[in-house]
Amino acid sequence: SQQGEEDPQALSIQEGENATMNCSYKTSINNLQWYRQNSGRGLVHLILIRSNEREKHSGRLRVTLDTSKKSSSLLITASRAADTASYFCATDRNTGGFKTIFGAGTRLFVKA
Amino acid sequence: SQTIHQWPATLVQPVGSPLSLECTVEGTSNPNLYWYRQAAGRGLQLLFYSVGIGQISSEVPQNLSASRPQDRQFILSSKKLLLSDSGFYLCAWRGSSTGELFFGEGSRLTVL
Repeated sequence: SQQGEEDPQALSIQEGENATMNCSYKTSINNLQWYRQNSGRGLVHLILIRSNEREKHSGRLRVTLDTSKKSSSLLITASRAADTASYFCATDRNTGGFKTIFGAGTRLFVKA
Repeated sequence: SQTIHQWPATLVQPVGSPLSLECTVEGTSNPNLYWYRQAAGRGLQLLFYSVGIGQISSEVPQNLSASRPQDRQFILSSKKLLLSDSGFYLCAWRGSSTGELFFGEGSRLTVL
């Protein structure tokens, strides 16, 4: 079953604009992660935010986490055509084996 | 450095035929290993995960099975494929210190 739900499902923006993607989840978590997938490829880890953190930055990426609302957002600033990909949030629950559950993803298209 | 390999990259199989997808990890020991399936344009569905040799947890009842005969080898199998088994299969290992998943390049299975 899927733990996270991304919003929007698809997003189309112009190069240079900011892209914001949201993720909601259902149960308590150890951490929340964001991944990127180019079409037909494996996923690449972007950033991890722990449950006791509220905000994290990595280059042009900014992630926020609100555990009271069970939600997270990924902001990509000054987007580039190369940012075109699908973005997934994933949550970790410590069940003895660390199950990582993914959402349905947001498909981002950045127009040059 | 750690690497993960999946094969075959693409596979076209008739309904009722057997399946074997293989995943190996190099450069790490006793990793948590995962098999995910991704339908076209959709998110990742966790199929199996393993915390050690011979230890397999199944997430979704289905006609697929997984085995871990060696520490860094994870195999996904089926005795008789169904049309619904078509999809993009992704193997991943978990970085124990960071919690992030590292994915292989995937195996695209088409069942006809």
